Formats: sequence, C-alpha cells, structure tokens
Amino acid sequence: DIVLTQSPALAVSLEQRATISCKTSQNVDNYGISYMHWYQQKPGQQPKLLIYEGSNLASGIPARFSGSGSGTDFTLTIDPVEADDIATYYCQQSKDYPYTFGAGTKLELK
Amino acid sequence: EVQLVESGGGLVQPGRSMKLSCAASGFTFNNYDMAWVCQAPKKGLEWVATISYDGSSTYYRDSVKGRFTISRDNAKSTLYLQMDSLRSEDTATYYCARQGSYIYDYFDYWGQGVMVTVSS
Repeated sequence: DIVLTQSPALAVSLEQRATISCKTSQNVDNYGISYMHWYQQKPGQQPKLLIYEGSNLASGIPARFSGSGSGTDFTLTIDPVEADDIATYYCQQSKDYPYTFGAGTKLELK
Repeated sequence: EVQLVESGGGLVQPGRSMKLSCAASGFTFNNYDMAWVCQAPKKGLEWVATISYDGSSTYYRDSVKGRFTISRDNAKSTLYLQMDSLRSEDTATYYCARQGSYIYDYFDYWGQGVMVTVSS
C-alpha cells in the first residue's frame, strides 16, 4: 500500500501563509499528472475536495488555496489563512489501489 | 445541485449484517464511478470500496474483502454497501462519494455520512 505521511498539526496566525506537506512512500505521478488530491474537513461535516490532480482548484474553492509538488512530495498552501480555514486537511492518492489518505493535518490558530 | 444522501446506519451486533444506501441526485448517476469511504470515531479517512459506472468492476480494501459488497442500481440512482460479518473495528461513519474523474479517481462530492456502530 502507498503510505501518505502528514504532520499532525500546524499552528498559524490569521492572514499568514500555511503550508501543509504530504509525503508518499511511492511515486504517485504518471505521464506528468499527479494522482494526488486534497480535502478539507471541519468537525461534524463531510470532507470537501479542495485540490485535484496535484494542483487543480476544485469548483467553488477560493484562490487562496493552492497545491503543488510531484512524485513523492506534495504541498497544500493556504495564503492568506482566514478564520473559516480552521479544519483538518487530508491528502489522498489514487495512483494505486487501495486508495489511501494521509492521517490529516489539523490547522490551528496561534 | 449534486446531492448524496446515505441511509441505513445504526447499532448492530458483531457478526450481524447491515446494508447502507446512498440516493444520488443532481447528476447523471450512471456516468460516474462511486465509492464508500469510512471514518472511525476521532480517526482519519479510509477508502472502503469503489464500483465502476456500470457496475461491472468493483474494488475493495483488504480488511473488508469477502465481507462487504458494493453495488448500484442505476435505474434508481442508488449506491449500496452490504456489510456482513461485522466487527467492532467496522464502527465508523460511512460516506458515499462520487469519483469525479474516470482516470484520476478523486472524490468530488460526498454525502453527509451515516454512522454504523458494531457493538453487543
């Protein structure tokens, strides 16, 4: 199985930049496309797709969210952080079955 | 508007069965692969199973193979998860999710989730 590793938590100040990393145990790229996706989940709610294929912004998601990276190293950036962004963020790979998620990074306010 | 509404959860004893349903609306159901993703209490997300748009192909995580069956009824725009031989470790919120791309398999829409508690 492909293992995705995320830091458990990140503390940021409002209006600053948050950088959340996700490292995979195997390359999740194929023909230049990353099979890496990012989700936001707030307490008591279902996850919401933020970024797909490494860097594409999902429909209705604000442009302060962006995704980058390739191969085994990926980053979700939120710039600037707003109060509504306090949530847990998960990365997910769809390169191989079983599809796997990172354990999540909880974004907290400093 | 895309909507996914799960039903069928609740409390069940270990070793018993339960069937979840997910009613889809707002999109052409038979054009999309669909999936179930679960989340144990206070834990992260875990993919459970995927079914192709026409039901011809299914995929499962190892821990549920032989116990869970994903299926769909395209005429009713409904996704199912038949869960047999349930274990305490199956206790989780189960989300129905649409796979937004035929190739890249990200989950672009999610239901609100349904709780399954396996306990005696």
